[in-house]
Amino acid sequence: QALRQESGPRLVKPSETLSLTCSVSGGSTSRYYWNWIRQSPGKGLEWIGIYYSGSTNYNPSLKSRITISVDSSKNQISLNLRSVTAADTAIYYCASQRGYAYGFDSWGQGTLVTVSS
Amino acid sequence: ETLMTQSPATLSVSPGERATLSCRASESIDNNVAWYQLKPGQAPRLLIYGASTRATGISARFSGSGSGTEFTLTISSLQSEDFAVYYCQHYNTWPYTFGQGTSLEIK
Repeated sequence: QALRQESGPRLVKPSETLSLTCSVSGGSTSRYYWNWIRQSPGKGLEWIGIYYSGSTNYNPSLKSRITISVDSSKNQISLNLRSVTAADTAIYYCASQRGYAYGFDSWGQGTLVTVSS
Repeated sequence: ETLMTQSPATLSVSPGERATLSCRASESIDNNVAWYQLKPGQAPRLLIYGASTRATGISARFSGSGSGTEFTLTISSLQSEDFAVYYCQHYNTWPYTFGQGTSLEIK
């Protein structure tokens, strides 16, 4: 069974960079599109961005601060979110997508990242 | 961007009954809609994609319908494990967006 697992620091200071990794098992990263999604406390889901076939597309609201990349040799997807504030406190999920015409078929359990000094 | 509006925000239904959840897009998105189930501490689960195609392993009690701007998720004969929060999402264009969620509660 394909698994996705997010990992990274649980606490990040304001103005610093939030860095998360999604480790993939049960399939090559090259077979899928890769998305990051977050859920702030008490709120709904927000799409952060996507990595697909060597390209990326980001949520305009976050575009200036985000980088998503893939290391196929390690089967990992990375998210970097720069200049964080308390508003970036959220559960962060990675999720795979088989292609453009599909939903997000496999998600990690998510990791809660708190931005606080 | 295309906004997704779900209704109702909260739905109270008795076990064994049917639940109908709605999602409206601010512009036509063809059938590029997915539905997800979220439970605390668990990975979100894809239920429906392409507006009406059940994802692998999803019970036939879950069905989706709609096209264009109006979409529906129907859960027949509710089981205890179905009480959760449900989100619709479009993937027609970037940025993808989600509805604000419907909390399905036991009546």
